[in-house]
Amino acid sequence: EVQLVESGGGLVQPGGSLRLSCAASGFTFRSSWMSWVRQAPGKGLEWVANVKEDGSENYYVESVKGRFTISRDNAKSSLNLQMNSLRVEDTAVYFCARPFYGSGPPLNWGQGTLVIVSS
Amino acid sequence: QTVVTQEPSFSVSPGGTVTLTCGLSSGSVSTRNLPSWYQQTPGQAPRTLIYNTNTRSPEVPDRFSGSILGNKAALIITGAQADDESDYYCVVFMGGGISVFGGGTKLTVL
Repeated sequence: EVQLVESGGGLVQPGGSLRLSCAASGFTFRSSWMSWVRQAPGKGLEWVANVKEDGSENYYVESVKGRFTISRDNAKSSLNLQMNSLRVEDTAVYFCARPFYGSGPPLNWGQGTLVIVSS
Repeated sequence: QTVVTQEPSFSVSPGGTVTLTCGLSSGSVSTRNLPSWYQQTPGQAPRTLIYNTNTRSPEVPDRFSGSILGNKAALIITGAQADDESDYYCVVFMGGGISVFGGGTKLTVL
């Protein structure tokens, strides 16, 4: 059974940093692209970032480019999202997700971790 | 900037059939966009219903189906039940490693 467990969320001030992690199991992590998707309170889903199997390629939604960095540790089956220069509008539940194919849309989802950016 | 369009809300009677659609602000959705559909209730993670246009996720009832209708992706729910009342999101793959979600449809069953 595929399991994705996020951690690292919390309260941070505007301009601050936070690092999210996702522990993956139940599939061959090193053979799968991975994604982050977020959902602001009361709003819809927003795709945030993708990283290739070996970490050599990554893609971001325009609003986080230059501030967020997606990375992975295949030895630990772990996905990360380093978030810098956080803004109030980054407040959201962040979901770790596994695409069903390549860098495509998600198939499997974690339960999410809440990030609140507020002074 | 690509916008993925969904009906903001829809209503269906118990036992009825409803078709939710997923379009693009410019152009058509095709199978190459790998359209996928998710169901979400408040406070829960999304649940994948349909991926790659028409592949049903395991344990999803066969009254949920996906297709391309005209220039849009579609999620068809037949025999709607009370617990189908949820938010439904579609997503399309735009290439270059980027996917875009629609704004979601709030489905009411009454």
